[in-house]
Amino acid sequence: DAMVIQNPRYQVTQFGKPVTLSCSQTLNHNVMYWYQQKSSQAPKLLFHYYDKDFNNEADTPDNFQSRRPNTSFCFLDIRSPGLGDAAMYLCATSRPQVAKNIQYFGAGTRLSVL
Amino acid sequence: QKEVEQDPGPLSVPEGAIVSLNCTYSNSAFQYFMWYRQYSRKGPELLMYTYSSGNKEDGRFTAQVDKSSKYISLFIRDSQPSDSATYLCAMSSYYGGATNKLIFGTGTLLAVQP
Repeated sequence: DAMVIQNPRYQVTQFGKPVTLSCSQTLNHNVMYWYQQKSSQAPKLLFHYYDKDFNNEADTPDNFQSRRPNTSFCFLDIRSPGLGDAAMYLCATSRPQVAKNIQYFGAGTRLSVL
Repeated sequence: QKEVEQDPGPLSVPEGAIVSLNCTYSNSAFQYFMWYRQYSRKGPELLMYTYSSGNKEDGRFTAQVDKSSKYISLFIRDSQPSDSATYLCAMSSYYGGATNKLIFGTGTLLAVQP
């Protein structure tokens, strides 16, 4: 089945130790998103790629970076994780030309920072 | 004022009850309305999608949009324990070819008691 896959499902890192989360998709969608979701809160958009064009949200800290080497893969890099970065990180994809702004989500990566 | 308001609950109902979940919004440019279901520690799953005003039915689920009141609803008939999850409303505007953000509510936690 076509889907959005996030790895790992759970990630534990140490304060200040860089971490990379990955997302792959078989939907052939041209837009990929990264969200941060904390407990009992709405998902918060960090940035998205429209094809190769990177779009950063104004309030996304510089500590968060992203790479999209090809259509299928997208990575979230947290350069120096702090305790406040512990959250669920969600990857989503969409194809606006076909399905407007419906977004399809992966299962998420739960990040713990010790 | 948030663009999208949603009662966080929790909402607890007995099995078989009719559930009504609601969101209000302030941006009259929103045209696309979605409901996502999110099980604990999982990613959001698209449940219903509606364009503009009106009703849409899919099995036990009915989505309603009232743009004049800026109010959307999700009804669940014959609720089951497996419906226990957080329900997120989401909405966006769309301007031909551009990517527009989804604006999420904070989610309503629903518990269906057997």
